[in-house]
Amino acid sequence: GAGVSQSPSNKVTEKGKDVELRCDPISGHTALYWYRQSLGQGLEFLIYFQGNSAPDKSGLPSDRFSAERTGGSVSTLTIQRTQQEDSAVYLCASSPRRKDNEQFFGPGTRLTVL
Amino acid sequence: QQQVKQSPQSLIVQKGGISIINCAYENTAFDYFPWYQQFPGKGPALLIAIRPDVSEKKEGRFTISFNKSAKQFSLHIMDSQPGDSATYFCAANGNNFNKFYFGSGTKLNVKP
Repeated sequence: GAGVSQSPSNKVTEKGKDVELRCDPISGHTALYWYRQSLGQGLEFLIYFQGNSAPDKSGLPSDRFSAERTGGSVSTLTIQRTQQEDSAVYLCASSPRRKDNEQFFGPGTRLTVL
Repeated sequence: QQQVKQSPQSLIVQKGGISIINCAYENTAFDYFPWYQQFPGKGPALLIAIRPDVSEKKEGRFTISFNKSAKQFSLHIMDSQPGDSATYFCAANGNNFNKFYFGSGTKLNVKP
């Protein structure tokens, strides 16, 4: 079956522009996570959705970052007024439900801010 | 405070050797400990996971050893192959947590 998909796969933008990153989770998965991975680094948690609500937004680095999820499915991560330090790979993962289930990761979106 | 600490940062092993990656965690409420494997340009994929009710879990060439009293767990890759060259992440989660806590990753290079 289809896995987690993310689009675009690569995004190059200029400093100060807004970007939207999309995640399509596996059908039926209620939990959705966004992570950021800087070059050669570990996974930095950004936000977690259970259904359409976000019980944990604690990882969002600043108010320039926001995310939403609609219909318990697709999620969009928006970064406003991008900065060079936002350059990273943004990974999305979904899970059948919150409790200790395997997370299925998408291939990520590589964001480069010039 | 870093909830999960992983070492080493990088590891070079000869083909056929044993690769060992270690993780230590802080919170005793964690009760699920997965290992993820990530190839360049790909998202991480679950490799093997363990719960604290057992001290060891083996799947093929991959084994997790778990020491509850020391709050440590490790991944052992037996008969390491060049195709195992990847970055490995440990993680921890539990019923009371909304998110997974990941280690910083170990880049494994298995030389032919």
